[in-house]
Amino acid sequence: EADIYQTPRYLVIGTGKKITLECSQTMGHDKMYWYQQDPGMELHLIHYSYGVNSTEKGDLSSESTVSRIRTEHFPLTLESARPSHTSQYLCASSPPAGYTEAFFGQGTRLTVV
Amino acid sequence: GESVGLHLPTLSVQEGDNSIINCAYSNSASDYFIWYKQESGKGPQFIIDIRSNMDKRQGQRVTVLLNKTVKHLSLQIAATQPGDSAVYFCAEKIYNFNKFYFGSGTKLNVKP
Repeated sequence: EADIYQTPRYLVIGTGKKITLECSQTMGHDKMYWYQQDPGMELHLIHYSYGVNSTEKGDLSSESTVSRIRTEHFPLTLESARPSHTSQYLCASSPPAGYTEAFFGQGTRLTVV
Repeated sequence: GESVGLHLPTLSVQEGDNSIINCAYSNSASDYFIWYKQESGKGPQFIIDIRSNMDKRQGQRVTVLLNKTVKHLSLQIAATQPGDSAVYFCAEKIYNFNKFYFGSGTKLNVKP
């Protein structure tokens, strides 16, 4: 079982609210990722980090922002939630470049009403 | 971004039969191809990978085949069990970029 945790699991929030989705891993992985996934659909990379103080935007444009102040922590923030942000958000981490396995958290299912 | 897509959105098989899940990819520069399994309410889990210089790799009850000529990847599950019911994603990884590109999933339904 991978040691990567996301909170909350489910979140229903009103339009315009600021939210932060938490992601923590205890495996000491340098690389961490945020994916957005609609039901039954592919995963879209929205942010990634190669280590502390390193953050990059992914291939899918997102209004969210991320920070990486500590190795184990990679939170994602939406300053002003909108219904179009309704989706599942998956956090993942991976070992050094030679490995092909990414470890995923259970996801946060966000609904903006 | 890269394009990794699956042929069929849903596959139903009888328990005990073999399952074959297919995937097409577009980037010839990928170093690894990976299969993930996502059960309901959970994040994807690694199943098996194959390096781009290989044609076949076997794991426990699973086999991955890579056909670089037609850019096609498949996952074969032997003696499919109810616990295999999930959505399966193929993904590709380019070593230097260390990012994973996922295709749309195939839902596998195993009928008892």
